[in-house]
Amino acid sequence: GQNIDQPTEMTATEGAIVQINCTYQTSGFNGLFWYQQHAGEAPTFLSYNVLDGLEEKGRFSSFLSRSKGYSYLLLKELQMKDSASYLCAVRPYYNQGGKLIFGQGTELSVKP
Amino acid sequence: DTGVSQDPRHKITKRGQNVTFRCDPISEHNRLYWYRQTLGQGPEFLTYFQNEAQLEKSRLLSDRFSAERPKGSFSTLEIQRTEQGDSAMYLCASSLVVNSYNEQFFGPGTRLTVL
Repeated sequence: GQNIDQPTEMTATEGAIVQINCTYQTSGFNGLFWYQQHAGEAPTFLSYNVLDGLEEKGRFSSFLSRSKGYSYLLLKELQMKDSASYLCAVRPYYNQGGKLIFGQGTELSVKP
Repeated sequence: DTGVSQDPRHKITKRGQNVTFRCDPISEHNRLYWYRQTLGQGPEFLTYFQNEAQLEKSRLLSDRFSAERPKGSFSTLEIQRTEQGDSAMYLCASSLVVNSYNEQFFGPGTRLTVL
């Protein structure tokens, strides 16, 4: 089966750092994606990990441990506009492309 | 080209009616995906195309759902005999298979309400 777990909600303060965790159990693994989705809008791509370790992209970093089936998204210097849902998704198949399996999303609220 | 577009953005229909949605992917993208998203959940895979070939359909996709991509460009998703449980956001995404990223770009979605 395919299972991806992430917390439902998180709250953080403007200017702070927040870490959103994701654990997965899937039939295969060929990459993990993080997407940001503002209410009523399309998901937009944030990061991609296929090898273990940390990928950094400005204020956003994503970490992967394949042996633990675990990833996190780290957001630094939080801004009010970071209030959104953050979706963790796994691409289970070896061949390039193919479907993504999404977690339920983590609703992040950034408070002043 | 400004990205993936979907039409209509909103659709309200009565139970039992048929509806059809259209997706126009980013022009050079060869893969096109359909997902469904309900409130508070992540997108759920429905089907995908590489060019005009439909390569995979979710087992969750009942016989009332059909998708086409006749010329490998735009795609349509039809739902026949709609049910209240079909109410959801239907998202289309496209990608270009050239590297390991194969990042999927999402459209704004079509929100379906079945009364």
